[in-house]
Amino acid sequence: QSALTQPRSVSGSPGQSVTISCTGTNHFFVNYNYVSWYQQYPGRVPKLVIYDVGKRPSGVPDRFSGSKSGNTASLTISGLQAEDEADYYCCSYAGTYTFVFGTGTEVAIL
Amino acid sequence: QVQLVESGGGVVQPGRSLRLSCAASGFTFSAYSMHWVRQAPGKGLEWVAVMSYDGKDIYYAESVKGRVTISRDSSKNTLYLQMHSLRAEDTAVYSCARINKEYSSGDYFDSWGQGTLVTVSS
Repeated sequence: QSALTQPRSVSGSPGQSVTISCTGTNHFFVNYNYVSWYQQYPGRVPKLVIYDVGKRPSGVPDRFSGSKSGNTASLTISGLQAEDEADYYCCSYAGTYTFVFGTGTEVAIL
Repeated sequence: QVQLVESGGGVVQPGRSLRLSCAASGFTFSAYSMHWVRQAPGKGLEWVAVMSYDGKDIYYAESVKGRVTISRDSSKNTLYLQMHSLRAEDTAVYSCARINKEYSSGDYFDSWGQGTLVTVSS
């Protein structure tokens, strides 16, 4: 399965909002609503911030939100904070137990 | 709490083999489908392989198909990844990850190990 496409980097000032896109052309991405997003600091384990397109695990700030339309999923971080500077990966269930990750996006705080 | 601890990584010459292990604790291992995910230095996450909770379903990424074998030993609560014919491009941190639902293919990863580094170099 081809990796889902994400922008290499996005940036914003503290307090602003940024949106990361995740685009896929495979049928599973269009038809399933099993898109998750992971935050990863350098050398650290990925942390789930969004699952099932737009659901937030407990403990994740409501500044993080997710959506999906057609073949593009999006992660929006509102009210950017310094601690949000990290890499973010989308991930989609691809059927028959398999998954595919996005190419990853570096979020930089200006 | 859920704990996943990988081991078995190291430096290996191209063409050689290596077996990675992932020791699981804190949950009913036999009830969960388990995955291997890798991350090359400075690169993104790549899904590698999955074995279903009952061992009946096994799938691999195209990039490793034919060169790796995933297995599990529920009596030892351990997941394995046997890798053969290793290439430089297999150099990565290999992590095991648990899916979110019991007896299911699941829809996201809810637990990850710290990973074990495999370096393929002569």
